[in-house]
Amino acid sequence: SQQGEEDPQALSIQEGENATMNCSYKTSINNLQWYRQNSGRGLVHLILIRSNEREKHSGRLRVTLDTSKKSSSLLITASRAADTASYFCATDPAGGTSYGKLTFGQGTILTVHP
Amino acid sequence: DTGVSQDPRHKITKRGQNVTFRCDPISEHNRLYWYRQTLGQGPEFLTYFQNEAQLEKSRLLSDRFSAERPKGSFSTLEIQRTEQGDSAMYLCASSPRMIGDTGELFFGEGSRLTVL
Repeated sequence: SQQGEEDPQALSIQEGENATMNCSYKTSINNLQWYRQNSGRGLVHLILIRSNEREKHSGRLRVTLDTSKKSSSLLITASRAADTASYFCATDPAGGTSYGKLTFGQGTILTVHP
Repeated sequence: DTGVSQDPRHKITKRGQNVTFRCDPISEHNRLYWYRQTLGQGPEFLTYFQNEAQLEKSRLLSDRFSAERPKGSFSTLEIQRTEQGDSAMYLCASSPRMIGDTGELFFGEGSRLTVL
């Protein structure tokens, strides 16, 4: 079953604008990860934030994590047409025995118009 | 190319037939995972190997599904007596196991199964 709820389900913006996607989850986590998937392709890891971190940056990506609210957000700044893809959050549950067994959300479809 | 490799990329089969997918992980990665993704959904965990040992299986993995990793390198996922509900993308991923491993998964391009 899907743990994460992602919001919005779809997002359409113009090139150069910022895109923000949100993810909520239900159980305690070791870390939360964001992945990108181009249509019909595999997933590519973007960024990982540990449960004791609140914010992390990587290039044009900024991730925040609020463990008290069990939520995370992914901000893509200065978006490009090439950022068009589906974005998934994935949680690594705390106390699990299968380290790296992830639970994915349903994803946000981002479309960036040139 | 040293990424995760999956074969075949696409498979169309008739209901009741058996299919097998192969995954070659990144060579130094001890852990290998299979996930299934249906249209419009995120991937769902199926099973995971550490070296040749299958350490966990999801309830999604019915007795028609079997996965192996005989020498701790490549893995196969076989589906027997396929059903239309098995139509999905089957994703393989690998990760290293080492001190400081933070659980990032490296995915292959997937094998898309269509059951007619």
